[in-house]
Amino acid sequence: DAGVTQSPTHLIKTRGQQVTLRCSPKSGHDTVSWYQQALGQGPQFIFQYYEEEERQRGNFPDRFSGHQFPNYSSELNVNALLLGDSALYLCASSLRLVEAFFGQGTRLTVV
Amino acid sequence: GQSLEQPSEVTAVEGAIVQINCTYQTSGFYGLSWYQQHDGGAPTFLSYNALDGLEETGRFSSFLSRSDSYGYLLLQELQMKDSASYFCAVGTGFQKLVFGTGTRLLVSP
Repeated sequence: DAGVTQSPTHLIKTRGQQVTLRCSPKSGHDTVSWYQQALGQGPQFIFQYYEEEERQRGNFPDRFSGHQFPNYSSELNVNALLLGDSALYLCASSLRLVEAFFGQGTRLTVV
Repeated sequence: GQSLEQPSEVTAVEGAIVQINCTYQTSGFYGLSWYQQHDGGAPTFLSYNALDGLEETGRFSSFLSRSDSYGYLLLQELQMKDSASYFCAVGTGFQKLVFGTGTRLLVSP
């Protein structure tokens, strides 16, 4: 089992551009959540996908959007990038509340 | 609002015992989890408490008091590899986690 995989691992974008991050959940997991982790901070919940629908959303602007595919994989899209969007973006998959499995993350740098 | 407070940093020596506290204020509570994150790595699950009391998993134990909105992670027989950041996280429903500010643990020889 490959666990949760994310791509790319690192990315550099310019302000105003758009970015798409990808996540493949752990085998058998149907729920995917995305988190943003700024340096030295705890992960902040962006949104969660279940059965291809956004089930919950954190306090992030509409520039952050996502999608879940029938195979449970997911994408996170961020439009009109700001310098403040620079962070580690983590994907987590789970079957139940007790344990979430995180990917290694995508380090996004906006310049 | 929702907040989880942890000490920012804790230092200890190999073989010692250390306790990392977490106080929380959240809308919705389905349990308190603990995650470990090494620099550059992914958070990994350590422990979970849904009910009051102590849960033990090897060298790690976690405690919860729901009436006090308080929990702690206890690490015993510290090893150098335990140097990492530790996060408490509250499950607020539908597998959403609200994370604390994180505690950086430094273990010295």
